[in-house]
Amino acid sequence: DAKTTQPPSMDCAEGRAANLPCNHSTISGNEYVYWYRQIHSQGPQYIIHGLKNNETNEMASLIITEDRKSSTLILPHATLRDTAVYYCIVRVAEEYGGATNKLIFGTGTLLAVQP
Amino acid sequence: DSGVTQTPKHLITATGQRVTLRCSPRSGDLSVYWYQQSLDQGLQFLIQYYNGEERAKGNILERFSAQQFPDLHSELNLSSLELGDSALYFCASSVEEASSGNTIYFGEGSWLTVV
Repeated sequence: DAKTTQPPSMDCAEGRAANLPCNHSTISGNEYVYWYRQIHSQGPQYIIHGLKNNETNEMASLIITEDRKSSTLILPHATLRDTAVYYCIVRVAEEYGGATNKLIFGTGTLLAVQP
Repeated sequence: DSGVTQTPKHLITATGQRVTLRCSPRSGDLSVYWYQQSLDQGLQFLIQYYNGEERAKGNILERFSAQQFPDLHSELNLSSLELGDSALYFCASSVEEASSGNTIYFGEGSWLTVV
């Protein structure tokens, strides 16, 4: 499984951009990078995913380096409601009878948005 | 609202007992995943089903079992419960069996407290 490394915690001022880094130096060519977040004891919430190109949706932007060894999740205008644990996950595809695509969660980054 | 429904939301039971957690996936989703989240272990993948068949196993104890029914809902059975089984149990679903590019959506979880 490709591993990810994230800082355990970060602070961000409300209204500013939050940039959350993730290292995944052992990622394989056909593995996607996914970002989820979990707001205290709620179900993990999908944010965005990408393979090679940068991606943007209504929640965030995902910047993936050209060598794909790292990525950054950008929340353009952080609000207090964005305080959560953010997980960077490399999507596993393995053989098990058929194939599986389970998500393996690490410890994530606790983003604290300050007023 | 992710579209994944879990019941019950909260459950308190005694050691040695057996409980069943139920999950209804999003409409059209064929894959169901179960995760356990305890305070000291983070989000742990337990098991995945695709269209009624087991696809992948994670750190699932022998006392635990799961199945996916023809209508695609899934149940996680936990037996001979111990205090350490107290945790949040999440169900998630996705459309395809194995495609790194599709999204997995999580329910809001079932809180299990073993006393």
